[in-house]
Amino acid sequence: GESVGLHLPTLSVQEGDNSIINCAYSNSASDYFIWYKQESGKGPQFIIDIRSNMDKRQGQRVTVLLNKTVKHLSLQIAATQPGDSAVYFCAEKGKAAGNKLTFGGGTRVLVKP
Amino acid sequence: GAVVSQHPSWVICKSGTSVKIECRSLDFQATTMFWYRQFPKQSLMLMATSNEGSKATYEQGVEKDKFLINHASLTLSTLTVTSAHPEDSSFYICSSSEALYEQYFGPGTRLTVT
Repeated sequence: GESVGLHLPTLSVQEGDNSIINCAYSNSASDYFIWYKQESGKGPQFIIDIRSNMDKRQGQRVTVLLNKTVKHLSLQIAATQPGDSAVYFCAEKGKAAGNKLTFGGGTRVLVKP
Repeated sequence: GAVVSQHPSWVICKSGTSVKIECRSLDFQATTMFWYRQFPKQSLMLMATSNEGSKATYEQGVEKDKFLINHASLTLSTLTVTSAHPEDSSFYICSSSEALYEQYFGPGTRLTVT
């Protein structure tokens, strides 16, 4: 079936550096993508989203890039802080899926002081 | 953003017993609620989608008779794990939605079956 996957399971980054988390998706009909942050023992927290008619969207310290040609999604975190240490998931929703989300496998980000 | 709560936050039960988990949308009316299961170091896996006043739609491989879902009001959905076994131990997360795209997640419930 359709799936969303990630390239890197763990990313170690020095505090203050920028982080880039990548995600590949396979459903070409997906029209909405979201990045979530999940800290240990907690539910996913919305970070940023992007619709398929856009290729870039910026938030506070975060930027999401969407490349529909190669079905690739990335999350960039600027000036990574210790509080950014968590597992990050991408999720996608297809037009025919109602409001159902399909989650990727997750990337753990470890911020080194 | 919207607030979704879950109760309990963690529960330990004996094998063979049933456990009920509540999911509440606190400040909006959730037309749709979703239930996910997450095993350690794994991603969220959708179990079922429930719409207020109708039967839940279960994902392939999820036993509807084992995971009973009730969505009796626009602010409350419950998941009951019946005849729980150790392999049902997991992190159960609900989410609520009032619109086509937004989905707000609860804090999760850690279930341990001994």
